[in-house]
Amino acid sequence: QSALTQPASVSGSPGQSITISCTGTSSDIGFYNSVSWYQQHPGKAPKLMIYEVSYRPSGVSNRFSGSKSDNTASLTISGLQAEDEANYYCSSYTSSSTWVFGGGTKLTVL
Amino acid sequence: QVQLQESGPGLVKPLETLSLTCTVSGDSVTSGSYHWSWIRQPPGKGLEWIGYIYDSGSTNYNPSLKSRVTISIDTSKNQFSLKLSSVTAADTAVYYCARGRSTFGWGDWGQGTLVTVSS
Repeated sequence: QSALTQPASVSGSPGQSITISCTGTSSDIGFYNSVSWYQQHPGKAPKLMIYEVSYRPSGVSNRFSGSKSDNTASLTISGLQAEDEANYYCSSYTSSSTWVFGGGTKLTVL
Repeated sequence: QVQLQESGPGLVKPLETLSLTCTVSGDSVTSGSYHWSWIRQPPGKGLEWIGYIYDSGSTNYNPSLKSRVTISIDTSKNQFSLKLSSVTAADTAVYYCARGRSTFGWGDWGQGTLVTVSS
């Protein structure tokens, strides 16, 4: 299985919105609505931000939203804040009952 | 509030077997609907799913690691474990244990433990 494709980096100014894409195949992102997104600050464990494409766990800000179209999922962060600066990873369940991650995207808040 | 804690040697010699244990507290590994995973992250790189196990003992592994990985569960100790054989420097990483639910992803993670493969 190949890793999902994410842009290496994105940036935005405080208050702006950014979108991170995550492209897979018909055997993963396109197969199930089982895409999740993780935020990881340096030296910390990842934190689940979005599951099942667009659902937020309790306690996650509604500034974070997710969507999917065909084989591409997206994470949008609105009203950017300095604390959002982190690495973001997408993940998808696959048709082989395995999991695959994206390569990660570094978000810089300017 | 479930907590997960990885433990094991921080240094493993090349070609030997890496062994880690994840101790779960605050919930039972047999509570159902959850899978218990190992995920790793080489220094400065991205996340890689290694495999998961259910309390039934059912497992599934990353195809790229399948020939070297074994994940087991000890319900009496509320722990699950990872064994990775014939390690090389490429297996140097922070290893995380995590709890996932169905196809929802992993909502609970351990703090991670760095394992270095070096002679």
